[in-house]
Amino acid sequence: DAGVIQSPRHEVTEMGQEVTLRCKPISGHNSLFWYRQTMMRGLELLIYFNNNVPIDDSGMPEDRFSAKMPNASFSTLKIQPSEPRDSAVYFCASSLPPGAPEAFFGQGTRLTVV
Amino acid sequence: AQSVTQLGSHVSVSEGALVLLRCNYSSSVPPYLFWYVQYPNQGLQLLLKYTSAATLVKGINGFEAEFKKSETSFHLTKPSAHMSDAAEYFCAVSPLSGGGADGLTFGKGTHLIIQP
Repeated sequence: DAGVIQSPRHEVTEMGQEVTLRCKPISGHNSLFWYRQTMMRGLELLIYFNNNVPIDDSGMPEDRFSAKMPNASFSTLKIQPSEPRDSAVYFCASSLPPGAPEAFFGQGTRLTVV
Repeated sequence: AQSVTQLGSHVSVSEGALVLLRCNYSSSVPPYLFWYVQYPNQGLQLLLKYTSAATLVKGINGFEAEFKKSETSFHLTKPSAHMSDAAEYFCAVSPLSGGGADGLTFGKGTHLIIQP
């Protein structure tokens, strides 16, 4: 299996622009998670889906952030409009609970908002 | 609610010495516990997991961890450090009742430095 695939790996955008991050989970996994990693706050869970349904989005920092999972093999995280403080590494992860609770992570998208 | 505390943001050991990275957790329900490793500019890779079976868990690259409920700890050890072990290590917790579907709560991480 190719693992969790994220695109793009790097994104540089100007403040105010819309940014869309993409994720393809491991085939067969039914849970998907979006995390954000910064030096100041560490790894934060933003939102997660079970069977394509958003379960908890309490970690989404603001209404500027939104996430969708239209099918079992694709998810997006959108920031509109982007701000410099959104600069971070965004990770997507997937898992197959309850038998295998560990999350498998993608390589991440490094977002820089200037 | 769950939380994880990793003691020591940086740990330095000599090559060949014992590695000990500390993790204490807080959970209102029985937990799953995990250790992940992150190399520069990469994602997180699972080292090992505790899922309520054996309290001493062996993982990849010679690492192991022991679940101690009385101490709410899940410390990571390796008998002999190798230069390739230099990385960031994260301890994480998830409620066992959720089967892992609720996501992981991570500690702040410990940067392991290996001195030649």
